[in-house]
Amino acid sequence: NAGVTQTPKFQVLKTGQSMTLQCAQDMNHEYMSWYRQDPGMGLRLIHYSVGAGITDQGEVPNGYNVSRSTTEDFPLRLLSAAPSQTSVYFCASSFRESSYNSPLHFGNGTRLTVT
Amino acid sequence: RKEVEQDPGPFNVPEGATVAFNCTYSNSASQSFFWYRQDCRKEPKLLMSVYSSGNEDGRFTAQLNRASQYISLLIRDSKLSDSATYLCVGKNTGGFKTIFGAGTRLFVKA
Repeated sequence: NAGVTQTPKFQVLKTGQSMTLQCAQDMNHEYMSWYRQDPGMGLRLIHYSVGAGITDQGEVPNGYNVSRSTTEDFPLRLLSAAPSQTSVYFCASSFRESSYNSPLHFGNGTRLTVT
Repeated sequence: RKEVEQDPGPFNVPEGATVAFNCTYSNSASQSFFWYRQDCRKEPKLLMSVYSSGNEDGRFTAQLNRASQYISLLIRDSKLSDSATYLCVGKNTGGFKTIFGAGTRLFVKA
């Protein structure tokens, strides 16, 4: 079972460059989300989607864009990379976020360094 | 104040010890709770859900106290393999918002 697949695993960018982090899930989950994890900060929600064609902002959306054209895919775009975006990024999905007992399933993460 | 707060630790315990973690939440709208485990440089993985009546899964017991707004995780007979970071998670049902605590680091020593 593939679950949640993230690519790439590692990425180094120069300030000002743009890139897209890919996320795909094969569990037919309605809900998908992107988190970033920084030391001492825990996981912070960037953007989320409750279904194809629907996206919304989380806690730290600035500098990031998302789209959800299919149920399976939820790419995260960095528009103009900044050193403050150096972090570990996790994509996570759940069957239905509004459901009481629907936990999140995480991808393996992308380690991004912006120089 | 963070919505979900945990003692960052680290907790250093010998093998076989019992260790307990607490977590407090500030949003009374939080409806469901989970404990996740995260190994170094890995993704978080669900350890167990937390129910109002408390629940047990082998050596792990989770409790929820809504009146005091805290969640606990008890690990009995600690193993070396239990060394990890434990994340407390609160979820506001219908609000599409899952909030993670910063995690509690556990080291189990031989």
